[in-house]
Amino acid sequence: NAGVMQNPRHLVRRRGQEARLRCSPMKGHSHVYWYRQLPEEGLKFMVYLQKENIIDESGMPKERFSAEFPKEGPSILRIQQVVRGDSAAYFCASSPLGLTYNEQFFGPGTRLTVL
Amino acid sequence: AQSVTQLDSQVPVFEEAPVELRCNYSSSVSVYLFWYVQYPNQGLQLLLKYLSGSTLVKGINGFEAEFNKSQTSFHLRKPSVHISDTAEYFCVCTGTASKLTFGTGTRLQVTL
Repeated sequence: NAGVMQNPRHLVRRRGQEARLRCSPMKGHSHVYWYRQLPEEGLKFMVYLQKENIIDESGMPKERFSAEFPKEGPSILRIQQVVRGDSAAYFCASSPLGLTYNEQFFGPGTRLTVL
Repeated sequence: AQSVTQLDSQVPVFEEAPVELRCNYSSSVSVYLFWYVQYPNQGLQLLLKYLSGSTLVKGINGFEAEFNKSQTSFHLRKPSVHISDTAEYFCVCTGTASKLTFGTGTRLQVTL
């Protein structure tokens, strides 16, 4: 059973470009979470999604950031018009259920560098 | 809302020595508590978790943690560390299933 997969592992963008980060949850998991880790900091919750639904986006910046988890395919975190401050590691996690506690399994992360 | 405080940003220790990484949490509701480990340039791996029941929780790689409700603490311990334990350790809590709240991390540096 493959773990949570994220790609690309490393992404370099110039200021103003778009960044698309992909996350494939573990098999059988229908809940996806995105976290951002700034340098020398802990992870910060961004968004929680189920298939075709955003459940909690309280940690998402109000502009330029969006996330989706379509019925088919991976979850996508999209950052438009990237700025240097977006440089961070972005981690995706998945769990089988969201209503009660279920362990979140983390992917290896995508390290975004904005030049 | 929850918050997690890891007082020590770095903990240097010699191999085979015991170690304790401190964690205090704040929450207005019952919480679930976890410790995650992050090796360099890798994702996070769950070390152990406290959901309910026994306050002493044993995890992987010889780590254990004790939930202390009166002191709102969840310190991580290992009686004898190995070089391979060098990593970043995060104390994490959640009051729900969705939003994990991370501490700022403690870097454990094990040397010979």
